[in-house]
Amino acid sequence: AQSVTQLDSQVPVFEEAPVELRCNYSSSVSVYLFWYVQYPNQGLQLLLKYLSGSTLVKGINGFEAEFNKSQTSFHLRKPSVHISDTAEYFCAVSDIGNTPLVFGKGTRLSVIA
Amino acid sequence: KAGVTQTPRYLIKTRGQQVTLSCSPISGHRSVSWYQQTPGQGLQFLFEYFSETQRNKGNFPGRFSGRQFSNSRSEMNVSTLELGDSALYLCASSLEPQGTNEKLFFGSGTQLSVL
Repeated sequence: AQSVTQLDSQVPVFEEAPVELRCNYSSSVSVYLFWYVQYPNQGLQLLLKYLSGSTLVKGINGFEAEFNKSQTSFHLRKPSVHISDTAEYFCAVSDIGNTPLVFGKGTRLSVIA
Repeated sequence: KAGVTQTPRYLIKTRGQQVTLSCSPISGHRSVSWYQQTPGQGLQFLFEYFSETQRNKGNFPGRFSGRQFSNSRSEMNVSTLELGDSALYLCASSLEPQGTNEKLFFGSGTQLSVL
């Protein structure tokens, strides 16, 4: 069964600094990869997704992620964070076909002024 | 277009009781999935319904059940509540089933507290 590991449960970072949130998944078969963000007291919103093609995926709010098949990783990056990026970020993976999304346990990003 | 609506927003129950949570998907969406979110475990998949049929079920005991109606609205039921069932229950809808490249749209969740 597919599993997702988010290596950092909490990441504090100063405003305007770069950030990388790490994500590894277990299976190297064909997968779809996603990053979702959850703001306080809200549901999850899609940041970006990788389906196929270019390994560098750009999403909303200046985020991007790079798919690395050999390392089974899909790390999320932003070159300069804002206070408003403070939220919990979830990496998710789905084997192509009849399988539901499996989520990591989340990384809480705290942006410090 | 209205988003995914979950009711109620908060719920307090005692051990042994049962509870029913409701989810109204985005208009036109036929797939509804349920997830349980807890601080220690993150999001865990409960089940998915597509066109009134259960497509997938997660690794939860039989006390957790669900259904989907012809208008795509879904309910989940938890019987004989336990303290460990305290969690945020999230509903997500999409046009097509999971396992395709479909984006999930999430509701704000129902926060269930079991005392």
